[in-house]
Amino acid sequence: AQRVTQPEKLLSVFKGAPVELKCNYSYSGSPELFWYVQYSRQRLQLLLRHISRESIKGFTADLNKGETSFHLKKPFAQEEDSAMYYCALSGSSNTGKLIFGQGTTLQVKP
Amino acid sequence: DSGVTQTPKHLITATGQRVTLRCSPRSGDLSVYWYQQSLDQGLQFLIQYYNGEERAKGNILERFSAQQFPDLHSELNLSSLELGDSALYFCASSAGPGRETQYFGPGTRLLVL
Repeated sequence: AQRVTQPEKLLSVFKGAPVELKCNYSYSGSPELFWYVQYSRQRLQLLLRHISRESIKGFTADLNKGETSFHLKKPFAQEEDSAMYYCALSGSSNTGKLIFGQGTTLQVKP
Repeated sequence: DSGVTQTPKHLITATGQRVTLRCSPRSGDLSVYWYQQSLDQGLQFLIQYYNGEERAKGNILERFSAQQFPDLHSELNLSSLELGDSALYFCASSAGPGRETQYFGPGTRLLVL
């Protein structure tokens, strides 16, 4: 079965500290992995996807097929990073349907 | 605004009623997706339409139906509403049928009393 697990509901760090939001997935084929972010009262927006290998707003994520993980990292958290983060998986290439994790709220304290 | 739009923003109705949620995709996007976000189930995929045709189906209840019109806007119809249908319903659009980036609308918050 396709599944995405984000083990932490809430992650609280101080400004300037490193951040790692965990994401593990279950899928037998070759999935595509995404991170979406939802800032307060705004719509979900794509943060990054593994095939683009971009770094957006200082965030990076590496797909580890051996550990079936796609953790999101940032070396120095900023207060404006406070938001809800969702990891998502797209399995079949015939459809773009996304399987989402439960989300992790990142709280960056001053 | 050329992004994804959804109407209405909020909807309050009673059990047993029927409602219609509307979504207009980004200009040029042919795929429309519907997702339901609830406290207990999280964000769940309901259904995808591509250029007017149903492309993929998720855990969508039989009481729910959707369609995509020739102008590419989509409607999600929810009938015989139950308390448990209270949720945030998101629409997203993408250029093609596959793994292209999806752009989300602001959502419609449905409250069933």
